[in-house]
Amino acid sequence: AAGVIQSPRHLIKEKRETATLKCYPIPRHDTVYWYQQGPGQDPQFLISFYEKMQSDKGSIPDRFSAQQFSDYHSELNMSSLELGDSALYFCASSEERVPLYTGANVLTFGAGSRLTVL
Amino acid sequence: GQQVMQIPQYQHVQEGEDFTTYCNSSTTLSNIQWYKQRPGGHPVFLIQLVKSGEVKKQKRLTFQFGEAKKNSSLHITATQTTDVGTYFCADFTGGGNKLTFGTGTQLKVEL
Repeated sequence: AAGVIQSPRHLIKEKRETATLKCYPIPRHDTVYWYQQGPGQDPQFLISFYEKMQSDKGSIPDRFSAQQFSDYHSELNMSSLELGDSALYFCASSEERVPLYTGANVLTFGAGSRLTVL
Repeated sequence: GQQVMQIPQYQHVQEGEDFTTYCNSSTTLSNIQWYKQRPGGHPVFLIQLVKSGEVKKQKRLTFQFGEAKKNSSLHITATQTTDVGTYFCADFTGGGNKLTFGTGTQLKVEL
């Protein structure tokens, strides 16, 4: 079965540089989520998109931006990188559960992109 | 913002011992999900609980949702080395498309 594809898997950048992470959701999934996970931390929600429109925003720095394209893939752009941005970045996708009383959306995560800022 | 708290933060057990992690919220949850993350891996969905007092089982794993829908637990019977990882509860905070993870419980199983 198709999974969530993230690229690159590893990325090394210098401070103040820019990085772009890509995510290809599972086909027919209508929602994409981005998370940041520091060492020993729980995944922190950054942003989500539903049908290519921004849905919810979490603790995403102003230096970061994201979008979802017409083919449903999503990109997370990070500028003016700081040492503290070093983390695992996960993308996840879900399809809407119908009927809604059966529960909330179930997320399928990609393998993640590890960003190291030197 | 409000985050679901999990206890304990860490748990070391001998293989064959039982393990339980608890999730507590100050507010009523509409539903709760559980994810497992292996070391170096990504979160993987385990189960979702929706109804008050609901209990679900997956082989050696038992999941419960409290009567007041403010707490949940995951119990593993007779742990195995394959159970190693961090277990997170999670909920869609305030609806919408924002899944918030609990603080997680890291389980280590020793032979």
